[in-house]
Amino acid sequence: GAVVSQHPSWVICKSGTSVKIECRSLDFQATTMFWYRQFPKQSLMLMATSNEGSKATYEQGVEKDKFLINHASLTLSTLTVTSAHPEDSSFYICSAPSGRAYEQYFGPGTRLTVT
Amino acid sequence: GENVEQHPSTLSVQEGDSAVIKCTYSDSASNYFPWYKQELGKRPQLIIDIRSNVGEKKDQRIAVTLNKTAKHFSLHITETQPEDSAVYFCAAMGFAGKSTFGDGTTLTVKP
Repeated sequence: GAVVSQHPSWVICKSGTSVKIECRSLDFQATTMFWYRQFPKQSLMLMATSNEGSKATYEQGVEKDKFLINHASLTLSTLTVTSAHPEDSSFYICSAPSGRAYEQYFGPGTRLTVT
Repeated sequence: GENVEQHPSTLSVQEGDSAVIKCTYSDSASNYFPWYKQELGKRPQLIIDIRSNVGEKKDQRIAVTLNKTAKHFSLHITETQPEDSAVYFCAAMGFAGKSTFGDGTTLTVKP
């Protein structure tokens, strides 16, 4: 089946710094990717839809200037958390449509800890 | 937007018993309903899904039913095993392929 990778798998950064998370579709092209955030013992919350060649669309309540999304190619989307704060500590997961019907392929997730 | 409610939040069953998790959704335009199993610190794993033009689907010990009129769908696991213990999420997919997830059910199967 199709594979989606994320890098890094975990990252620790200091408050006020920025961190970039990459999401790659390894064996298929993805014009759209989705970014989710999952706090401990909670559900996955859709943050934004990443669109290749155009601006991302953000869900209500998600600060687009804080969570910068760039979909530079058909296989790569990046999420940059700017001026990170401890409350941004979470599990960030991306997904991409498989191209077959409706199934989504999820990346393995990135654990972000802001100290 | 879409709203998905999932019940129960926790479920404990004895090995060999059946487990049922129920979800309701609000947007009649949603047309795809996957169920995911998530282990701690890992990505969601698709275990079964159903499209809006189907009422029931079964895959070995796992089945899903969908009632479009009532806007609810359910996951049924029979002959539960300890390795079925995990967090299960339902989701509803609608416009532009966006998915809304339920809050999750922590299933514990006691040996």
